[in-house]
Amino acid sequence: DAKTTQPTSMDCAEGRAANLPCNHSTISGNEYVYWYRQIHSQGPQYIIHGLKNNETNEMASLIITEDRKSSTLILPHATLRDTAVYYCIVRGWRPTGTASKLTFGTGTRLQVTL
Amino acid sequence: KAGVTQTPRYLIKTRGQQVTLSCSPISGHRSVSWYQQTPGQGLQFLFEYFSETQRNKGNFPGRFSGRQFSNSRSEMNVSTLELGDSALYLCASSLDGPGGGYTFGSGTRLTVV
Repeated sequence: DAKTTQPTSMDCAEGRAANLPCNHSTISGNEYVYWYRQIHSQGPQYIIHGLKNNETNEMASLIITEDRKSSTLILPHATLRDTAVYYCIVRGWRPTGTASKLTFGTGTRLQVTL
Repeated sequence: KAGVTQTPRYLIKTRGQQVTLSCSPISGHRSVSWYQQTPGQGLQFLFEYFSETQRNKGNFPGRFSGRQFSNSRSEMNVSTLELGDSALYLCASSLDGPGGGYTFGSGTRLTVV
């Protein structure tokens, strides 16, 4: 499974865009990029995922580079409630229906401040 | 719709005992995964089930086992409990396939004394 590298921590001012980078330079063709976040003492929450195209939903946008070796999660207008640990995970899916493990790393601790 | 339900929410056991934790996935979700979370090790993958078959397994000793029933409900069992098994155990379910993100339950807090 491809490994991911994320900064340990980041700060963002409330109302500004939070851009969280993730490096996955060994990603293979059948691996998707998933983002989850975990707010203190709660279970992780799914945010967004993508294969090679940029994706947007009501929570965030995901920008994947053309070579797929890195991606950026964008929270367009961060609020204090977005303070959490953000995890970037790659997971492979095969046409047979088998899948690799969804393994969480150490993530990026995002602190949103006033 | 109802979320992922884990029971019990809290549990205290003695070293050497065994414990069974239960997880009811969201209706229609056939994939269920289990995770252990501790302050020191973070979120550690235990196992994943799909259609009553274990699809993936993490690096835990054989004392940790699980199963999934035909209605997609899942249980995990830990035998011969050790102090280090004290943790928050999280269950997550999803529709199968790359398009589905996992929905996590609130977890079972296990304390081994």
